[in-house]
Amino acid sequence: DQQVKQNSPSLSVQEGRISILNCDYTNSMFDYFLWYKKYPAEGPTFLISISSIKDKNEDGRFTVFLNKSAKHLSLHIVPSQPGDSAVYFCAAYATFTGTASKLTFGTGTRLQVTL
Amino acid sequence: DTAVSQTPKYLVTQMGNDKSIKCEQNLGHDTMYWYKQDSKKFLKIMFSYNNKELIINETVPNRFSPKSPDKAHLNLHINSLELGDSAVYFCASSLQGRANEKLFFGSGTQLSVL
Repeated sequence: DQQVKQNSPSLSVQEGRISILNCDYTNSMFDYFLWYKKYPAEGPTFLISISSIKDKNEDGRFTVFLNKSAKHLSLHIVPSQPGDSAVYFCAAYATFTGTASKLTFGTGTRLQVTL
Repeated sequence: DTAVSQTPKYLVTQMGNDKSIKCEQNLGHDTMYWYKQDSKKFLKIMFSYNNKELIINETVPNRFSPKSPDKAHLNLHINSLELGDSAVYFCASSLQGRANEKLFFGSGTQLSVL
């Protein structure tokens, strides 16, 4: 049962434009969300996170929006740069479990930023 | 200086063989993990260790045996390799293993079983 879904396997955006990556979840117990970025032949690296007590978190060019009622979050990258080309994974915790071992990942969206 | 390092990066082997993947973290974290990314790109937890103690074993066949000689190292030994074991294996660590911590990942080991 896939509890975190990234329904767009790939996305292509022009340099300078906004990239919007989407993520849906089904488990209503999830209350903390993270985005990871992965380059080829490297491990995922943490990008940004958001707690369910917020609906927005911003870090430089990266903003994550959370819509709890829709069980949906999105990552906005503005402006997009060629170095942003990577696979982006959405991940979610149910913090009541108390353990990081229950981090659930989506299958990723490959973002390509073109010149 | 790499925070989480795993070796080898690539591993090609025959069915039935036994192989090991090593992982080391220099972040001073208490908790380490093994994740498997299969052909469908799912990243799934296999094991987690906190201070050398096994915390989670997510229904992984007992052909997979993790070993943690100290909290900075978590190695993965796989016996009698099968075709279905082909995947990318990621080691990771986090500060104390609590929910909402960010995980730091190694660069992965691509295992191909022929």
